[in-house]
Amino acid sequence: GQQLNQSPQSMFIQEGEDVSMNCTSSSIFNTWLWYKQDPGEGPVLLIALYKAGELTSNGRLTAQFGITRKGSFLNISASIPSDVGIYFCAGRPTGGFKTIFGAGTRLFVKA
Amino acid sequence: DVKVTQSSRYLVKRTGEKVFLECVQDMDHENMFWYRQDPGLGLRLIYFSYDVKMKEKGDIPEGYSVSREKKERFSLILESASTNQTSMYLCASSATSGSTDTQYFGPGTRLTVL
Repeated sequence: GQQLNQSPQSMFIQEGEDVSMNCTSSSIFNTWLWYKQDPGEGPVLLIALYKAGELTSNGRLTAQFGITRKGSFLNISASIPSDVGIYFCAGRPTGGFKTIFGAGTRLFVKA
Repeated sequence: DVKVTQSSRYLVKRTGEKVFLECVQDMDHENMFWYRQDPGLGLRLIYFSYDVKMKEKGDIPEGYSVSREKKERFSLILESASTNQTSMYLCASSATSGSTDTQYFGPGTRLTVL
């Protein structure tokens, strides 16, 4: 089946550092979504992208829909301890109905 | 704001019991989903529904059934719970809007089967 490759699997960073995580697919996607999941909670939508090349910010978060429509990245600037959690990318492939989820990037922030 | 609620945050059941997990959304969304989340396996789709009384199997439907009698409510049923169904269960909903499908999740139910 279709898969998303999300990298890195985990990141250990110092408070104040910038973070970048990536998601790629072998097929073209119509939609890219980024979620954050806190421990014991459900994923919360951070950013939704619907057009190739689209660059969207949400506070310290910035995400882009890759121009080839086969990838997306999420950047977090000036990280803080509450950024800790698992970040999931998700996408809807062209012609498909189901949303595909990446395996997640687990972020640890040291104060 | 979209709100998706799940009936229980934590649940402990015994092997063989029948288990009902309830999900309610308040945004008049057509689509609803049930996932389970396990360490190292990510989110796996169990069942989804795109309309009242309609249901479709996801990637791992075995051992589960669902019910959608009303648009806002989607129930996941474990007919006879087994220990390998111990997991975090997540419900989500989305609107049918062209080619977009932004899913909004509930807080999750952590089920332990003893």
